[in-house]
Amino acid sequence: QVQLVESGGGLVKPGGSLRLSCAASGFTFSDYYMSWIRQTPGKGLEWLSYISSGSSYTNSADSVKGRFTISRDNSKNSLYLQMNSLRAEDTAVYYCARVMVGSAYSGFFDYWGQGTLVTVSS
Amino acid sequence: QSALTQPASVSGSLGQSITISCTGTSSDIDYYNYVSWYQHHPGKAPKLMIYDVSDRPSGVSTRFSGSKSGNTASLTISGLQAEDEAEYYCNSYTSSSPVLFGGGTKLTVL
Repeated sequence: QVQLVESGGGLVKPGGSLRLSCAASGFTFSDYYMSWIRQTPGKGLEWLSYISSGSSYTNSADSVKGRFTISRDNSKNSLYLQMNSLRAEDTAVYYCARVMVGSAYSGFFDYWGQGTLVTVSS
Repeated sequence: QSALTQPASVSGSLGQSITISCTGTSSDIDYYNYVSWYQHHPGKAPKLMIYDVSDRPSGVSTRFSGSKSGNTASLTISGLQAEDEAEYYCNSYTSSSPVLFGGGTKLTVL
């Protein structure tokens, strides 16, 4: 079955960097767009970024453009999120999600991981 | 940035039906048929319940249905069950962001 497992979260100081990983299994990873989404404490979901199946196309939310970079390694069935210049407001649970096929829209997510917690604090 | 507005909370009794609304603008929900709904139990992975306004992924109960009227999308859950208690989020394509989520609605089953 489809599994997405995030890792790499933890405590980091403001201004610091962190790299999240997402290990995918149970499907042909290289066939799917993938995305990162976060949930901040007490708030809702926020889409961050997505990447095409072959890495040729990425798009990110304005809130993280220039600070966060999405990438993938299809040979390792892995998705990554490099987060730089972290701020307190980046504290959140970060989810990786698979973009659903079968729709003309790349914003439907049919499988999600359980998330990894990132805490930005001094 | 445009917003998708959901009620903070709704409640219903076992066996009843409830509807959760998601209000956007003429630039998003009204214009595009790109609305989905997610169920999120704390500590678990969110689950896609509805996409393309009213389609259900394989395996999702027929008790869940979606619709749209103008700039408001709706998720209806019929025959409420205890396990339906969760947070529900809508999302849509918008003119200001390719993916935007609503603020979420906490469903309490009485």
